[in-house]
Amino acid sequence: EVQLVESGGGLVQPGGSLRLSCAASGFTFSSFWMHWVRQAPGKGLVWVSHINSDGSSTTYADSVKGRFTISRDNAKNTLYLQMNSLRAEDTALYYCAREKVAVAGNYYYYYGLDVWGQGTTVTVSS
Amino acid sequence: SYELTQPPSVSVSPGQTARITCSADALPKQYAYWYQQKPGQAPVRVIYKDSERPSGIPERFSGSSSGTTVTLNISGVQAEDEADYYCQSADSSGTYEVFGGGTKLTVL
Repeated sequence: EVQLVESGGGLVQPGGSLRLSCAASGFTFSSFWMHWVRQAPGKGLVWVSHINSDGSSTTYADSVKGRFTISRDNAKNTLYLQMNSLRAEDTALYYCAREKVAVAGNYYYYYGLDVWGQGTTVTVSS
Repeated sequence: SYELTQPPSVSVSPGQTARITCSADALPKQYAYWYQQKPGQAPVRVIYKDSERPSGIPERFSGSSSGTTVTLNISGVQAEDEADYYCQSADSSGTYEVFGGGTKLTVL
């Protein structure tokens, strides 16, 4: 069964740090780009970051740039999100999701986020 | 920052067609993707690359694109289609990804 399972969420004080993990199973993890998407309580989806299949390229939303770091360990089939300098507005349910990306020459073909985990909750509060 | 604009809510009666729009300047250049999210559940991809339907998604779900607007169409709406729907795309450079604000579909 194709599955993504997030962990590492919890309650942290403003200015603190957390590391989220996303364990993948049932598919060839190293063949997919991976994303973190968050959703504040009662609010919409917000894209946070993505990483390409071999980990050589990362991109971040402006709201987390310089504070969050996405990484992956393809040998362990695990995606990470290191979150530093946390703020109250980072409080959310954090999802990891995979994306198939096909490369043909200089062109990239994106297929959207087709598998999502159930999320891990991060609460930033004093 | 780049934004995708969706109507906050759409209401339709069972059996009718629901149309949910998503607008942004870069949509003629970038593909759009649509996700369905029911309360307490993770999102599910229902359309990719503007109009492609993944396997397992009912045929009543379809997508279209015209200029700076993409549209998710749900024909013959059923009660089980009541959910939040989000479009997703990228800015004109293809670097930054973004979700629309979401549309709550109510089946009357």
